[in-house]
Amino acid sequence: DQQVKQNSPSLSVQEGRISILNCDYTNSMFDYFLWYKKYPAEGPTFLISISSIKDKNEDGRFTVFLNKSAKHLSLHIVPSQPGDSAVYFCAASRGDDKIIFGKGTRLHILP
Amino acid sequence: GAGVSQSPSNKVTEKGKDVELRCDPISGHTALYWYRQSLGQGLEFLIYFQGNSAPDKSGLPSDRFSAERTGGSVSTLTIQRTQQEDSAVYLCASSLMLGGLPDEQFFGPGTRLTVL
Repeated sequence: DQQVKQNSPSLSVQEGRISILNCDYTNSMFDYFLWYKKYPAEGPTFLISISSIKDKNEDGRFTVFLNKSAKHLSLHIVPSQPGDSAVYFCAASRGDDKIIFGKGTRLHILP
Repeated sequence: GAGVSQSPSNKVTEKGKDVELRCDPISGHTALYWYRQSLGQGLEFLIYFQGNSAPDKSGLPSDRFSAERTGGSVSTLTIQRTQQEDSAVYLCASSLMLGGLPDEQFFGPGTRLTVL
């Protein structure tokens, strides 16, 4: 049973518009959430994170929103740029326990 | 099950000791990745294998770290003379091909290493 779900395998967004990547989780004990970005033939790289005590964290063009009651988080990228085309992994952890990853969403930024 | 497995699940060791972490990828997966997750940090890529060869070792933090893969299957990550900063969760993942589709990279449960 997947504890972290990314239900959209892929997403296409026009350059300059907002990209919204969604993630749902089932374990209410998760208290730390992360997004990773992965280019082909490279390992994933950390992008942004949020603690369960917050509902929003912003870093430049990237903002993560957390809705604990809905067990839902989303990553907003605005404005979207061609270099944002990659696979994005949502992940969650409980304390210093192992992290659980979603399966990823491939984002295509269209010119 | 048929997923990626890692052993041990937890390892506590004393500073200066050597440790060996094992990863059993999904059968038939040619690409294998090692990552490290330190407390409060993002996922850190360590090394990947395509078959038995490791084209990219740039993520290994020091020469105390080494990894090998034999028979295109099982991989071991060895840390010599462990230090406290080596404490982390070590994750392994495998995929059918390097840089495959997002649903083709499968992660193991990780090994939590604690260096006292």
